[in-house]
Amino acid sequence: EAGVAQSPRYKIIEKRQSVAFWCNPISGHATLYWYQQILGQGPKLLIQFQNNGVVDDSQLPKDRFSAERLKGVDSTLKIQPAKLEDSAVYLCASSSPQGTGGSVEQYFGPGTRLTVT
Amino acid sequence: GESVGLHLPTLSVQEGDNSIINCAYSNSASDYFIWYKQESGKGPQFIIDIRSNMDKRQGQRVTVLLNKTVKHLSLQIAATQPGDSAVYFCAENRTGRRALTFGSGTRLQVQP
Repeated sequence: EAGVAQSPRYKIIEKRQSVAFWCNPISGHATLYWYQQILGQGPKLLIQFQNNGVVDDSQLPKDRFSAERLKGVDSTLKIQPAKLEDSAVYLCASSSPQGTGGSVEQYFGPGTRLTVT
Repeated sequence: GESVGLHLPTLSVQEGDNSIINCAYSNSASDYFIWYKQESGKGPQFIIDIRSNMDKRQGQRVTVLLNKTVKHLSLQIAATQPGDSAVYFCAENRTGRRALTFGSGTRLQVQP
């Protein structure tokens, strides 16, 4: 079974520039998550999709971050314009729902390491 | 506020010894807990999970203990190997909310 794919693996941009990350979840996984992991910290949820609908984007800085999952499969996360504090690893994860309220294992991709200079 | 945190940022053990990584949580509504292992340059990898109606769960060389009275979670790794060197995160989840809340992580260093 192929895992969660992410690209690019590394990206270096200057502040105020734009950047986009791509994620392809495990086939058949309806739930997709984007996490931000700042160096030395645990991942923090940015946005959660169920198929192509947003379930939770309460921690997404919507003035500069956007995400979409138009066909309920692949997803893109965009930052425009980037700030120095956006330097982090952006992790994509997916899971297969098991009924309402069920706790399910999330499978993570390798992440995209973003450096904003 | 709610939080999931870890007591020790770095744990150094000798190869073959047992390792214990601790985690405290503050949200009594949490009912599902997971331990993840993250190696350098990789995403977190699931190790073991436990639901709040359990006190202990065992896997291959790993055991998770849950003490709901003091809101404490621990991961025990038996016969620690060099390949166990990584950062370990505990995470919590509440029924109805699939996204995870992660702690800040403990780095496990295994000395040969």
